[in-house]
Amino acid sequence: AQSVTQLDSQVPVFEEAPVELRCNYSSSVSVYLFWYVQYPNQGLQLLLKYLSGSTLVKGINGFEAEFNKSQTSFHLRKPSVHISDTAEYFCAVSDLAKLSFGAGTTVTVRA
Amino acid sequence: DTGVSQNPRHKITKRGQNVTFRCDPISEHNRLYWYRQTLGQGPEFLTYFQNEAQLEKSRLLSDRFSAERPKGSFSTLEIQRTEQGDSAMYLCASSNGKALGMNTEAFFGQGTRLTVV
Repeated sequence: AQSVTQLDSQVPVFEEAPVELRCNYSSSVSVYLFWYVQYPNQGLQLLLKYLSGSTLVKGINGFEAEFNKSQTSFHLRKPSVHISDTAEYFCAVSDLAKLSFGAGTTVTVRA
Repeated sequence: DTGVSQNPRHKITKRGQNVTFRCDPISEHNRLYWYRQTLGQGPEFLTYFQNEAQLEKSRLLSDRFSAERPKGSFSTLEIQRTEQGDSAMYLCASSNGKALGMNTEAFFGQGTRLTVV
């Protein structure tokens, strides 16, 4: 069975500061990992995904994530955040049939 | 490509009533998923279809819940005898292909927010 744990429920951060959102996964089969973002009153949007190959994955809006097999982690980072990055972020793992999501991390960017 | 469409966007119903939600996936997407999201939680998987076949159902999907995708296009999710605990955002997603994660991604709708009073 697949599962993910997001280690931070809320992350406040100042504008232009870096941010890291932590995600640990558990999987008994091949690992496919995703980060989604949910802006207020909107649906989930894919930020990036790891399927195989390079462990550093670049996504949209300047986000990137690093897959670490030994630590079973898939942490999301952005070197400099904007006010518009205020949103809920979800880590997810696929078993090829469906996605299983973490509980989410609320990022609040302050000026 | 107009994205995944869900209707209604909001639904308020009295406890004990039946409700039905509709999801129109992206055209030609063969897979359709239903998720439920409560406040402060991530989306929880309910069920998914490949074309018209319902391939997997979560234990969260009690007997009061039923989902259909009769022609392999749009889908409906019905909740009978609603309870206050059913209050949540119901999300629909669609994808194309046989395996979620290889070269496919799931596209989500904006959801239907259900409030049971």
